[in-house]
Amino acid sequence: DTGVSQDPRHKITKRGQNVTFRCDPISEHNRLYWYRQTLGQGPEFLTYFQNEAQLEKSRLLSDRFSAERPKGSFSTLEIQRTEQGDSAMYLCASSLEYGEQFFGPGTRLTVL
Amino acid sequence: AQKITQTQPGMFVQEKEAVTLDCTYDTSDPSYGLFWYKQPSSGEMIFLIYQGSYDQQNATEGRYSLNFQKARKSANLVISASQLGDSAMYFCAMKEIQGAQKLVFGQGTRLTINP
Repeated sequence: DTGVSQDPRHKITKRGQNVTFRCDPISEHNRLYWYRQTLGQGPEFLTYFQNEAQLEKSRLLSDRFSAERPKGSFSTLEIQRTEQGDSAMYLCASSLEYGEQFFGPGTRLTVL
Repeated sequence: AQKITQTQPGMFVQEKEAVTLDCTYDTSDPSYGLFWYKQPSSGEMIFLIYQGSYDQQNATEGRYSLNFQKARKSANLVISASQLGDSAMYFCAMKEIQGAQKLVFGQGTRLTINP
């Protein structure tokens, strides 16, 4: 399968714990996006990378969130000191520059 | 700022009927792209159809067509001959052509196809 993959698919954690999600984009895609989707809402943009450079971050991305894309391949999204409000689906998408975004299956985070 | 509005929280349609899902948008950018995505209960966003702001013809992809009315700022999705497998959430989205090209989504419409 050469689509976008995300790991894990589901994560349950206790408030205050740190979590890390991984996204593997389509191999030739130089752009990678992270979105967050809460229940009953459409996805909202968090941040994006062009190759290894993080070029834009949403105001939704508080100081507890950090994202990396070392070597311009896979990306990780870490949330420190999780809060119940962080419970959401975290979606990753990749694209060529000016191309259509292809989404992964998402990571569903539940913070207890 | 770009904004997408989907005013139908839920739609119920009989199998084999056509259905129109509404989408209006707001932007000050002269160039933009409009998308429709399908999200089944599994959570993955599936691309359905794309319309560029300068495209003269309405986009079509199989049973999906996009009714683009630029002056009214609307981009409605039409699904012909609906099938049970079409039951899902449907999101309209807009993308800026320059810069981050991030997608801005509406709140979605839950479509249920009845047998």
